[in-house]
Amino acid sequence: KQEVTQIPAALSVPEGENLVLNCSFTDSAIYNLQWFRQDPGKGLTSLLLIQSSQREQTSGRLNASLDKSSGRSTLYIAASQPGDSATYLCAVKGSNTGKLIFGQGTTLQVKP
Amino acid sequence: DADVTQTPRNRITKTGKRIMLECSQTKGHDRMYWYRQDPGLGLRLIYYSFDVKDINKGEISDGYSVSRQAQAKFSLSLESAIPNQTALYFCATSDTGTSVAWDTQYFGPGTRLTVL
Repeated sequence: KQEVTQIPAALSVPEGENLVLNCSFTDSAIYNLQWFRQDPGKGLTSLLLIQSSQREQTSGRLNASLDKSSGRSTLYIAASQPGDSATYLCAVKGSNTGKLIFGQGTTLQVKP
Repeated sequence: DADVTQTPRNRITKTGKRIMLECSQTKGHDRMYWYRQDPGLGLRLIYYSFDVKDINKGEISDGYSVSRQAQAKFSLSLESAIPNQTALYFCATSDTGTSVAWDTQYFGPGTRLTVL
């Protein structure tokens, strides 16, 4: 059974810092891995999707990497801003089911 | 206008009551999903539907039922609500025409349900 774990559960950093969020998964048989952002009172917004054959994806100040063999992904946020404060969720899509399995999330606070 | 809408946004109900959460989408997607989110547990899949005639149980379907009234509408029902069904419920959609590897889900804003 696929399990997805995110560490840390919460993170507080001063504005301007570069930071890394971690995601690990137990079954390397995946189609893709996605990083989502969740804001209070709003749904989830997809930030980056990495196919199983890819190593990384970039969007603006965000860079996500995938090491399928070790079951790990990282989300790198450069020059963090208070507007980056949110909960970040990673999710994997398994090859057999096609359904998303989510991690518990990392709640990020960026202080001005 | 939002592509995926959920009603109600907040609901407080009592144990034993029947309640329905509704989801509508204007994205023209065939696939629709219901998740619940509990603190510290992430999102867990309750039911999913790949078209109007296709309904499938997710990992935590006990105590829930669904109805796919049309391509754009997918409702979640709690026949007899209990306190441990207190959670944040999300509806999501995705596009059948997209390959599984690129398939991404689009989420509604969520319904916060409290069962007393």
